[in-house]
Amino acid sequence: RKEVEQDPGPFNVPEGATVAFNCTYSNSASQSFFWYRQDCRKEPKLLMSVYSSGNEDGRFTAQLNRASQYISLLIRDSKLSDSATYLCVVQGGSGNTGKLIFGQGTTLQVKP
Amino acid sequence: GAVVSQHPSRVICKSGTSVKIECRSLDFQATTMFWYRQFPKQSLMLMATSNEGSKATYEQGVEKDKFLINHASLTLSTLTVTSAHPEDSSFYICSARVEGTKNIQYFGAGTRLSVL
Repeated sequence: RKEVEQDPGPFNVPEGATVAFNCTYSNSASQSFFWYRQDCRKEPKLLMSVYSSGNEDGRFTAQLNRASQYISLLIRDSKLSDSATYLCVVQGGSGNTGKLIFGQGTTLQVKP
Repeated sequence: GAVVSQHPSRVICKSGTSVKIECRSLDFQATTMFWYRQFPKQSLMLMATSNEGSKATYEQGVEKDKFLINHASLTLSTLTVTSAHPEDSSFYICSARVEGTKNIQYFGAGTRLSVL
């Protein structure tokens, strides 16, 4: 079983749609959680950190459920520029020195 | 966010040559940098953790004698792919952790290596 699992997609949605991505992780000792965005042939860029209380940044909302070891990302009012691969990232192990474990990524294609 | 510069962005080389990739933190000091490799349609896989002033920590299955890492200063880490072969062709990405930011890592732009 992969340490971080995501549905690779692709998710094809029209502009303006709301789309949700899910992610599960296997290590219950994981401490930090993130969503990164990666454009084709580019480096990953931090989209947002994820907290148990949930957090929102504009059209993006992230949720963490520690009991279920489940992370989600909700994108509202999708834009063409949201087309990218979204990487679920978990800090493995314990403490602040744990390495980051990346999911395979979920590809989003927003169509006009 | 913090800026990490990676150079070169693209390398095409012959089999058997060595390739050196540099990763610099431009506006902060990084005691820890990370080297990842990403094959097409796959996730980033951590190769090694680079520690300033000490030996790198390699992930299981990564040959330390083939992928030489040097972290001689707080702003520079280098990865040298020695005697590169076609199977080493990949997208190599470095990152640096900003201390005190809950383990957020900022990534370089990556180096696309093609070994002929």
